[in-house]
Amino acid sequence: GQQLNQSPQSMFIQEGEDVSMNCTSSSIFNTWLWYKQDPGEGPVLLIALYKAGELTSNGRLTAQFGITRKDSFLNISASIPSDVGIYFCAGQGNNAGNMLTFGGGTRLMVKP
Amino acid sequence: GAVVSQHPSRVICKSGTSVKIECRSLDFQATTMFWYRQFPKQSLMLMATSNEGSKATYEQGVEKDKFLINHASLTLSTLTVTSAHPEDSSFYICSARDMLGMNYGYTFGSGTRLTVV
Repeated sequence: GQQLNQSPQSMFIQEGEDVSMNCTSSSIFNTWLWYKQDPGEGPVLLIALYKAGELTSNGRLTAQFGITRKDSFLNISASIPSDVGIYFCAGQGNNAGNMLTFGGGTRLMVKP
Repeated sequence: GAVVSQHPSRVICKSGTSVKIECRSLDFQATTMFWYRQFPKQSLMLMATSNEGSKATYEQGVEKDKFLINHASLTLSTLTVTSAHPEDSSFYICSARDMLGMNYGYTFGSGTRLTVV
């Protein structure tokens, strides 16, 4: 089945620093999604990407859909303590059930 | 925006009993909902796809008689964990996709923490 490799697995950064994380796939996806999950909560959608090469921003967050359709990155600029959480990438490929495949997550810790 | 409500948020039950978890799309209709299971410090694992008016589609290794899914309306799917055992303790999350709205992202419920004692 489809696999998503997300890196890094965890990051510990200083407040104000920029953050970058990415996901790669062995197969093509039609949609890339980036979510943030706080402890004990469900994932919350941050950015959705629908076209290869698409670059989309949401406040301090920027994500891109790779040209090959097999990768995506998420950048967070000027991190703040509330950015702490687990970030997941998810891709939707050519499956009839419209199912998502999730990356393993990136645990972000921000030191004030 | 699309909102998915999941209830209960936490439940503790005794071994051998059954637990029902509800997932509702509040402001949109969802012909398809998805049920995930998440273990601590791990990613979401898709358990099954819930289809309105028809049988759910289960992922390989998920016992359909153990995890009963019902999608009786366009806004409600339920997951029933039958004869629960401690190993069923986990975080269960549902999601739905608003096929008619401008935002095609999948919206997730807030999750249900199940503890079987």
